[in-house]
Amino acid sequence: EDQVTQSPEALRLQEGESSSLNCSYTVSGLRGLFWYRQDPGKGPEFLFTLYSAGEEKEKERLKATLTKKESFLHITAPKPEDSATYLCALMGTSGSRLTFGEGTQLTVNP
Amino acid sequence: GAGVSQSPSNKVTEKGKDVELRCDPISGHTALYWYRQRLGQGLEFLIYFQGNSAPDKSGLPSDRFSAERTGESVSTLTIQRTQQEDSAVYLCASNLYRGTGELFFGEGSRLTVL
Repeated sequence: EDQVTQSPEALRLQEGESSSLNCSYTVSGLRGLFWYRQDPGKGPEFLFTLYSAGEEKEKERLKATLTKKESFLHITAPKPEDSATYLCALMGTSGSRLTFGEGTQLTVNP
Repeated sequence: GAGVSQSPSNKVTEKGKDVELRCDPISGHTALYWYRQRLGQGLEFLIYFQGNSAPDKSGLPSDRFSAERTGESVSTLTIQRTQQEDSAVYLCASNLYRGTGELFFGEGSRLTVL
């Protein structure tokens, strides 16, 4: 069974204080690992897709990386507008559903 | 419209009543998903439609839950004899190609069962 575990559950940062969010996963065959951002009262918004170990993707202050067991979302010099819940999800080769983790709630204080 | 549209945005019902939740996907998107999100939790897969193929219903939690989709357009999620544990936000998402994980989500339908 596909499993996704995210840590920490919540993270508070000061503006400009860089950090990383962790996503550990187990899957028999990985089709893709995905990161989403979810603001309160909204649906998740797609950020990145990673397909294989060693791959990296960047977008503004965010960089996602992938190993065979984990993915990290690195946040460099965050701003208050980066405050949101970040969700990690995977799709295995056995089907087309996404299995989501429970998310990391990030708060960036000015 | 430009995005995935869900209605109603908010629904309050009494225990034992039936509810219908509607999703209009992005035009041309062949795949459509329903997820459930309980307060403070991650997304729980319910059902997946892909074109005219048989849907993947493996996430539906009980036979009180059902969903239909007309071709590649509107989908309706029906919950019969609602229970308090059904209270959650029900999210619909669509994407262009089967097997890609870039889903476009609606804003959800918040269901409260009293």
